[in-house]
Amino acid sequence: GQNIDQPTEMTATEGAIVQINCTYQTSGFNGLFWYQQHAGEAPTFLSYNVLDGLEEKGRFSSFLSRSKGYSYLLLKELQMKDSASYLCAVMDSNYQLIWGAGTKLIIKP
Amino acid sequence: DTAVSQTPKYLVTQMGNDKSIKCEQNLGHDTMYWYKQDSKKFLKIMFSYNNKELIINETVPNRFSPKSPDKAHLNLHINSLELGDSAVYFCASSQGAGEADTQYFGPGTRLTVL
Repeated sequence: GQNIDQPTEMTATEGAIVQINCTYQTSGFNGLFWYQQHAGEAPTFLSYNVLDGLEEKGRFSSFLSRSKGYSYLLLKELQMKDSASYLCAVMDSNYQLIWGAGTKLIIKP
Repeated sequence: DTAVSQTPKYLVTQMGNDKSIKCEQNLGHDTMYWYKQDSKKFLKIMFSYNNKELIINETVPNRFSPKSPDKAHLNLHINSLELGDSAVYFCASSQGAGEADTQYFGPGTRLTVL
C-alpha cells in the first residue's frame, strides 16, 4: 500500500531551526509537496520537489532524496506564527496526492 | 478576491438529513477536488473533476455526490447524513490533471452531524 510517515508533533524554540522529516512509499512518484496548515484553516502550499536536492525559499527549505524515499522541511529563524501543522504529500503515478497525517509544530518563546 | 471559496463555513445538522456544500474557484483552473479531513487530520481525496468529468472516486459512499455545473464550481451533495460524516471538508483546485500541479485549498466546511 501507499504510506507517508512523519512525526506527529515537534516542539522548538523561537529563533531556532527545526527539521521535519517525511518518508514515503508510493506507487510511482511525480513530486513531493509540503503544505502548512494553521489550526482551523486550509492547507497552504509551501514547496514542491521532484528532483533530488535542496530547494530554498526564504526561511523555509525542502530536501528530497528519491532513492531513499525521504524528504525534510527545514524551518530557520522560527517565529511564533510558524506554529502550525506541516503536511507532506506525494503525487503518485496516477497524479493523485497521497497525504501524510501532518506534523504539529509547537513554537515556544 | 478569494481564489477558492466554500459555503457554508460551518454546518450543523441532524442524522438522516441531506445537505450540500458549495465551492467556487476564480483561478481559471481545470481541475477541482473534494477532500475530507477527519479528527486525526488525514486529508483523504473524495472526488476530482476535470473539465466537468469525474476522474477520481475513492471508495466514497454513494450518499456523496459531486455536482459541477461548470469548471469553476464543484458542489458536494450528501444524502442521509451519518455521525461518521462529521469532519472538515475542503475543496481545492489545480491548473490541470495528470500533471504535478499545485493544489489550492478553500477555507473548509466544518460539518457536524448530531
